Amino acid sequence: EDQVTQSPEALRLQEGESSSLNCSYTVSGLRGLFWYRQDPGKGPEFLFTLYSAGEEKEKERLKATLTKKESFLHITAPKPEDSATYLCAVRYGWGKLQFGAGTQVVVTP
Amino acid sequence: GAGVSQSPSNKVTEKGKDVELRCDPISGHTALYWYRQSLGQGLEFLIYFQGNSAPDKSGLPSDRFSAERTGGSVSTLTIQRTQQEDSAVYLCASSLETHTGELFFGEGSRLTVL
Repeated sequence: EDQVTQSPEALRLQEGESSSLNCSYTVSGLRGLFWYRQDPGKGPEFLFTLYSAGEEKEKERLKATLTKKESFLHITAPKPEDSATYLCAVRYGWGKLQFGAGTQVVVTP
Repeated sequence: GAGVSQSPSNKVTEKGKDVELRCDPISGHTALYWYRQSLGQGLEFLIYFQGNSAPDKSGLPSDRFSAERTGGSVSTLTIQRTQQEDSAVYLCASSLETHTGELFFGEGSRLTVL
């Protein structure tokens, strides 16, 4: 069965303390891996698309990387405003995205 | 509109009643998705519309759930004979085309079944 697994479930960081989130997947015919950010009471907001192993994307303090079996979202020197739930999703075939359960990140001053 | 609009934002209903949730996608977006998010959980795919193609209904949990998209724009998700386990946030998203994973989400409709 195709699965998307995110770890850890929750992460508490001090401001400036860099860390990484993991998204592992077991799908065939992968046609893209996507990262989203979700704030409480809001819908997810798109961050990155990755298609090929070795690909990297960056946006401010966030960098996403992709291997054949997993993706990492690196948060460098986080700030309190980076606190959110980070979701990864995979697309197989054309159509629906399958989402992981997310990693809840809290950054304290 | 500027973004995906969903209504109502909150709905409280009694077990056994029918509910309708509405989604107004971004103008020009051909793909429309419905997802469900239970408390503390990830997003569960429900249904996907792409242009005039037959919708992908593979995520609908039971035949009490149905959705339609009229005129390639507004979509309505209907839940008949609601059950307590239907309580969740129902999220709608649209995208410019199928091949992109960049979905634009609404803020969701929170459904509570008493």
